[in-house]
Amino acid sequence: QQQVKQSPQSLIVQKGGISIINCAYENTAFDYFPWYQQFPGKGPALLIAIRPDVSEKKEGRFTISFNKSAKQFSLHIMDSQPGDSATYFCAASDRGQNFVFGPGTRLSVLP
Amino acid sequence: DTEVTQTPKHLVMGMTNKKSLKCEQHMGHRAMYWYKQKAKKPPELMFVYSYEKLSINESVPSRFSPECPNSSLLNLHLHALQPEDSALYLCASSQVGQGGETQYFGPGTRLLVL
Repeated sequence: QQQVKQSPQSLIVQKGGISIINCAYENTAFDYFPWYQQFPGKGPALLIAIRPDVSEKKEGRFTISFNKSAKQFSLHIMDSQPGDSATYFCAASDRGQNFVFGPGTRLSVLP
Repeated sequence: DTEVTQTPKHLVMGMTNKKSLKCEQHMGHRAMYWYKQKAKKPPELMFVYSYEKLSINESVPSRFSPECPNSSLLNLHLHALQPEDSALYLCASSQVGQGGETQYFGPGTRLLVL
């Protein structure tokens, strides 16, 4: 119930391509869905976040799509760059009481 | 300033040692968190402090002892750790609210228990 599933585990994309990472959850009490980017040796940094009353949110090259009925959300990275190579975690929060991370996706963008 | 600082960056300790990790933020956040992250795994929540009071303890062994002396500081006291406790320990902070508050993470302390 508390799990957040994430796929794929790893992703290789050519420079300029679109990177897509998918997440799914079961707990309908989750009401906040952030994505974090983590570089080796660094702490996770918030990339973009969405609430379930919105179906899509875009910030620059990053877009979250949210499907409340399917309990799924995804991150799209447009025009992927080598500097985007990192591990990406989706997460879900329940009114701040529970904060659960997905298992992560290691993205490699080839030059 | 959206920075959370953590010291030390690296720590090596024996199983009989006592050490402490320190976390500091000056963003006025009243919620602070400790996470443990193993290699190639997501961060796992250990403790949550809200208004300097412990609000969540995710069944963490007593060899980990958190302390929040004031609204800007968070400590994690370590004693009699096991080699499997070796990991990256992350501190985070956020506003306290009804949910949807961004957590800001520090760079972490990489701990090795021998």
